[in-house]
Amino acid sequence: QKEVEQNSGPLSVPEGAIASLNCTYSDRGSQSFFWYRQYSGKSPELIMSIYSNGDKEDGRFTAQLNKASQYVSLLIRDSQPSDSATYLCAVNTDGTSYGKLTFGQGTILTVHP
Amino acid sequence: DGGITQSPKYLFRKEGQNVTLSCEQNLNHDAMYWYRQDPGQGLRLIYYSQIVNDFQKGDIAEGYSVSREKKESFPLTVTSAQKNPTAFYLCASSTSSTEAFFGQGTRLTVV
Repeated sequence: QKEVEQNSGPLSVPEGAIASLNCTYSDRGSQSFFWYRQYSGKSPELIMSIYSNGDKEDGRFTAQLNKASQYVSLLIRDSQPSDSATYLCAVNTDGTSYGKLTFGQGTILTVHP
Repeated sequence: DGGITQSPKYLFRKEGQNVTLSCEQNLNHDAMYWYRQDPGQGLRLIYYSQIVNDFQKGDIAEGYSVSREKKESFPLTVTSAQKNPTAFYLCASSTSSTEAFFGQGTRLTVV
């Protein structure tokens, strides 16, 4: 059974702080890793993808991947109240179909003013 | 405007009734997917299709059926065999080299 586990929430941080979201996966054959943001009642929105070990930065977001440890994380710098949402970690092991994903259960992030 | 359109936004099903959820995309993506989300949970894959006239079961296909007669369309039927169909249903599409993007979802409730 392929599993993706996220750190249990909810996570609460003050405005301007760094929010750190963590995810581990069980299948060593996993090739592609994604972070989706989901506001309450809405569909998931892709915010980051990462395919190789190391860091990938996009604005206030940094994704980190360590395949040896089977660990992927998302850092949100200068957190804003608008970042309050559920963050879903998703993993692809297929390699040919990027939308065939195994999701974690999500971490609820609240950024308070 | 390119995107994925799901309809209806809300759907109510009576016990023993089949219902069909629509998913249309104009992104020229080859692959399409159906996911189910229960409250407080992540998404689980129901069915996916990588080309027209071909589709594969995902992790929770029992009680569901799909068709892929056109590249743009991938409807999902929730049959009476699905004993707990109340959930948020999400359709997505991708190419072989791009990430998956989701439609706005259909919220199905059994009444």
